[in-house]
Amino acid sequence: AQSVTQLGSHVSVSEGALVLLRCNYSSSVPPYLFWYVQYPNQGLQLLLKYTTGATLVKGINGFEAEFKKSETSFHLTKPSAHMSDAAEYFCAVSRSNFGNEKLTFGTGTRLTIIP
Amino acid sequence: SAVISQKPSRDICQRGTSLTIQCQVDSQVTMMFWYRQQPGQSLTLIATANQGSEATYESGFVIDKFPISRPNLTFSTLTVSNMSPEDSSIYLCSVRTGEHEAFFGQGTRLTVV
Repeated sequence: AQSVTQLGSHVSVSEGALVLLRCNYSSSVPPYLFWYVQYPNQGLQLLLKYTTGATLVKGINGFEAEFKKSETSFHLTKPSAHMSDAAEYFCAVSRSNFGNEKLTFGTGTRLTIIP
Repeated sequence: SAVISQKPSRDICQRGTSLTIQCQVDSQVTMMFWYRQQPGQSLTLIATANQGSEATYESGFVIDKFPISRPNLTFSTLTVSNMSPEDSSIYLCSVRTGEHEAFFGQGTRLTVV
C-alpha cells in the first residue's frame, strides 16, 4: 500500500520569503509523485510531477521539488512567496504511470501568505 | 491533457434524496476516478469506473450508496443516494492520461440539509 504524509496542515510565510511544504511518502515500488494546488472553490491543478530521471523537478509558478529516495521525501519549495500562492497544496503518490492507477493524496497543507 | 466538465457545480439537497453528478471528458479514457473531499480534508477515492464493467469501490464505500455508471469512454455519473448531512462534501471526477498526471473536474459542492 502507498501513503503520503504532509507535515504541517497550516503553513504561514511572509511575502517574499521561502516556501517549504513537506511531503514524505511510503511505497513498495518506485513511486510517481505529484504536487497539486487547489485554490478556493476550484478543482485541483498540477504543479509538478516526478516520474523518472532528474530528481529536481520544476513546475509552474516558480515551484520546484526534489525527490530524495533515501529520505522518502518530495518537499515542495519556492524561493519567494507571492500573495497569489495562498492555497491548499496536496502531495500525491502513485505506483505507476498507467491510466488505471489511482493517486493517493496526503492530507494537504494550507499555505497562508502574510503581507 | 484532458478537460473535464463536471456538473452540477454545486447543489443543496434535502436529506433522504439522491443527487447524480455528471462527468464529461474531452477525450477517451479507460478509467475514471471519483473522489470525495470532505470539509477541510484531503481527497479520498470512492471508486474507479471502467467502461463496460462494474465500478471498483474502495473500502468504506458501497455501490448501494454511491452507484456509478460508465456508459462510454468519455462519460460517467456518480449518484449519492439517500443523502444525509454527513454526505456534504466536494465530489471530484478525475482521469489520468499518457502524461502521467491526473486531471480533475472543478468539483461538485454538495450540501445536505
